[in-house]
Amino acid sequence: QSALTQPASVSGSPGQSITISCTGTNSDVGLYNSVSWYQQHPGKIPKLLIYDVSIRPSGVSNKFSGSKSGNTAFLTISALQAEDEADYYCSSYTDSTILLYVFGSGTKVAVL
Amino acid sequence: QVQLVQSGAEVKKPGASVRVSCKVSGDTLSDLSMHWVRQAPGEGLEWMGGFHPEDNEIIYAHTFRDRVIMTEDPSTHTASMALSSLTTEDTAMYYCATAVKDSVGYFRDAFDVWGQGTMITVS
Repeated sequence: QSALTQPASVSGSPGQSITISCTGTNSDVGLYNSVSWYQQHPGKIPKLLIYDVSIRPSGVSNKFSGSKSGNTAFLTISALQAEDEADYYCSSYTDSTILLYVFGSGTKVAVL
Repeated sequence: QVQLVQSGAEVKKPGASVRVSCKVSGDTLSDLSMHWVRQAPGEGLEWMGGFHPEDNEIIYAHTFRDRVIMTEDPSTHTASMALSSLTTEDTAMYYCATAVKDSVGYFRDAFDVWGQGTMITVS
């Protein structure tokens, strides 16, 4: 079971919107509406931003939004700010026999 | 508000075993779906195993299933993860994390509360 595929890096200017893709297969992202997204600043623990493709936990800014099309999920960050500079990981439940959850390879977001 | 506090960093020799504990406060351990995720230095997140409500048992990723044991002790509100036959490739930060519980009490496939992490160095 390979990691979900994310771009290594995405960048944007303050105030812009960016979108991070997360490509899986029809055994994970394409099969279940169980995609989640995490933000991780250097040296910090992961923070849940989105679950069930598009649901934001209480306290998470509405600048973060999630969606899915086929085997690819997307995280959009609007009104980009310096504090959004971090690593972002997607994850999905999977019907694989070797693990329940697979994470993405991670995307480093840079605010120019 | 659930909080998870993990045991401290450890340095181990190759071939040794390690046990990481995760103490729960703010909820009852048996009412949670506890999971373990690790992250090697500079690398991404890797799910190791956790409680699967549909099967009512702990499921291990095949990568680890021959050398990992995850346990829960309700009397001490503590979950533990023991990993044996350590190699240098097991050097990583190890996290316990709980699955999201929705408004009607069902677990979702995401992790919203994380421990502070336990750094295990194998050298």
